[in-house]
Amino acid sequence: DTGVSQNPRHKITKRGQNVTFRCDPISEHNRLYWYRQTLGQGPEFLTYFQNEAQLEKSRLLSDRFSAERPKGSFSTLEIQRTEQGDSAMYLCASSLGLLAGGKETQYFGPGTRLLVL
Amino acid sequence: SQKIEQNSEALNIQEGKTATLTCNYTNYSPAYLQWYRQDPGRGPVFLLLIRENEKEKRKERLKVTFDTTLKQSLFHITASQPADSATYLCALEFGESGNTPLVFGKGTRLSVIA
Repeated sequence: DTGVSQNPRHKITKRGQNVTFRCDPISEHNRLYWYRQTLGQGPEFLTYFQNEAQLEKSRLLSDRFSAERPKGSFSTLEIQRTEQGDSAMYLCASSLGLLAGGKETQYFGPGTRLLVL
Repeated sequence: SQKIEQNSEALNIQEGKTATLTCNYTNYSPAYLQWYRQDPGRGPVFLLLIRENEKEKRKERLKVTFDTTLKQSLFHITASQPADSATYLCALEFGESGNTPLVFGKGTRLSVIA
């Protein structure tokens, strides 16, 4: 399967714990995005990378959130001191980015569903 | 403030009819407008992209229109089937396609009844 993969698919944690999610993009894709989706809402942008460089962070991304893409391939999203309001689906997407010349869109992974108790 | 509205949270139609979903936006000038399908518990799947200088785009039973004057896109599914039941998301993009974050509406949940 050459699509975007995310692990774990589900995570239940207690308030105050730290969690880390992983995203493996489509192999030739340079751009990687993180979105958060709550029930009944569309995905909301969190942050994105061009190769290993983090280019933009949303105001939604509080200082408890950190994302990395150390070698320009997979990415991790860590949430420290989780709160109940962090419960959501965390989606990763990737795209060819500048190489596509404006002819490409984003491909989403299946998401990681987080429940904070 | 910037806003994207999709016409309704839920839409029920009879199999074989044409489903029409609406996406309205305010205070944006997007370069691209995209439609995605999302099934429960899964990530969105790209369906169609239309550029600001295009009026209409088709793909099989799907048709998208884009009116930048009205700030509206219409998404049509002709000869609808129960398998078309899903949530459909409208998304705006302001830079080169694939290069900038997407801004999504809340989605419309379509149910096609046999």
